[in-house]
Amino acid sequence: SQQGEEDPQALSIQEGENATMNCSYKTSINNLQWYRQNSGRGLVHLILIRSNEREKHSGRLRVTLDTSKKSSSLLITASRAADTASYFCALSNFGNEKLTFGTGTRLTIIP
Amino acid sequence: SAVISQKPSRDICQRGTSLTIQCQVDSQVTMMFWYRQQPGQSLTLIATANQGSEATYESGFVIDKFPISRPNLTFSTLTVSNMSPEDSSIYLCSAGTEAFFGQGTRLTVV
Repeated sequence: SQQGEEDPQALSIQEGENATMNCSYKTSINNLQWYRQNSGRGLVHLILIRSNEREKHSGRLRVTLDTSKKSSSLLITASRAADTASYFCALSNFGNEKLTFGTGTRLTIIP
Repeated sequence: SAVISQKPSRDICQRGTSLTIQCQVDSQVTMMFWYRQQPGQSLTLIATANQGSEATYESGFVIDKFPISRPNLTFSTLTVSNMSPEDSSIYLCSAGTEAFFGQGTRLTVV
């Protein structure tokens, strides 16, 4: 099964700046989801984007999906200290609900 | 969105013992999933738990080590058997197409 590759592995930015992280994958997907994890706790679901969608927004979050390039990006605008966390993309294939997780990006917001 | 309750939230166990983790969903779901997250790593799927049938295990995971129960459409358990320090991880359950996760169980084996 494929795994999403995320980059960067780690990202540090000043509070108020925008943060962008990317997820690339190898085979066709049904949908792609982004999650946040604070300090090894449970995962918080952020956004699900389906393979026939190109962009979705939720508050300060913007997710894009380019199926021709097999990549997705998560943009967090006007970052806050509370955004400090690890972010994971997760892929699911057609006819299957199980998720394959990306390697993750550790985001640090500097106050 | 589904609300998933998982317990215990953390435990410290002696090697050679077993721990059973419980996962409760607030609505009926067909499939539930169990993941392991080793320290500093991403999540890896252990198995898919279907109600009324045997769990389906991913490569590298076996039923003897990680027996799973799924007695109804809202509940599942994962047992980590004969534990060793290498089993120290966070274990998470999820459910739903837009997969929601419990808070996880942080297991430390000493």
